[in-house]
Amino acid sequence: GENVEQHPSTLSVQEGDSAVIKCTYSDSASNYFPWYKQELGKGPQLIIDIRSNVGEKKDQRIAVTLNKTAKHFSLHITETQPEDSAVYFCAASGGGADGLTFGKGTHLIIQP
Amino acid sequence: NAGVTQTPKFQVLKTGQSMTLQCAQDMNHEYMSWYRQDPGMGLRLIHYSVGAGITDQGEVPNGYNVSRSTTEDFPLRLLSAAPSQTSVYFCASNQGYEQYFGPGTRLTVT
Repeated sequence: GENVEQHPSTLSVQEGDSAVIKCTYSDSASNYFPWYKQELGKGPQLIIDIRSNVGEKKDQRIAVTLNKTAKHFSLHITETQPEDSAVYFCAASGGGADGLTFGKGTHLIIQP
Repeated sequence: NAGVTQTPKFQVLKTGQSMTLQCAQDMNHEYMSWYRQDPGMGLRLIHYSVGAGITDQGEVPNGYNVSRSTTEDFPLRLLSAAPSQTSVYFCASNQGYEQYFGPGTRLTVT
């Protein structure tokens, strides 16, 4: 089955700086790669996703890049703000009925 | 739309007790899933359903049963709770790629 590795487990950055979280996956059949943000006591919320037919996607301060050959994808957050502090999860899936395989999460801390 | 709802929010069980975690969605999504979240482990798939009457096992199905009699509801049953099932449980639904998660049920088994 699919295996997703996520790094780092904790990331502390100064407010206004950029943050990068990286994931690798093992199953070349995976074609959908979402990123979720989870705040304390809440369920995961989708913040951005990418499918295998594109290499990069951007939504305001958030971007995701995908390298299918190397089987890795990354989340980039620019101009970080205090409200970006949360746990971020990457995931991989074949889409549709396939469940998501999650990474173990990154605790992002934004230092004032 | 309420989206994905889960009840209860919190539950404490004794070893050997049984209970059902409820999940409902009002988006008419075909697919529904149950995940458990443990510290440092991310979320792991327990069971999923591709439509009413159809369910299948995920990564960690042992100790859990599911059924899907309607499109809206997907309950998760613990027949004989064990301390290893202490976790936070999330239900999700999707029609295409994007999965929507409920707020979770925090379960403690003593």
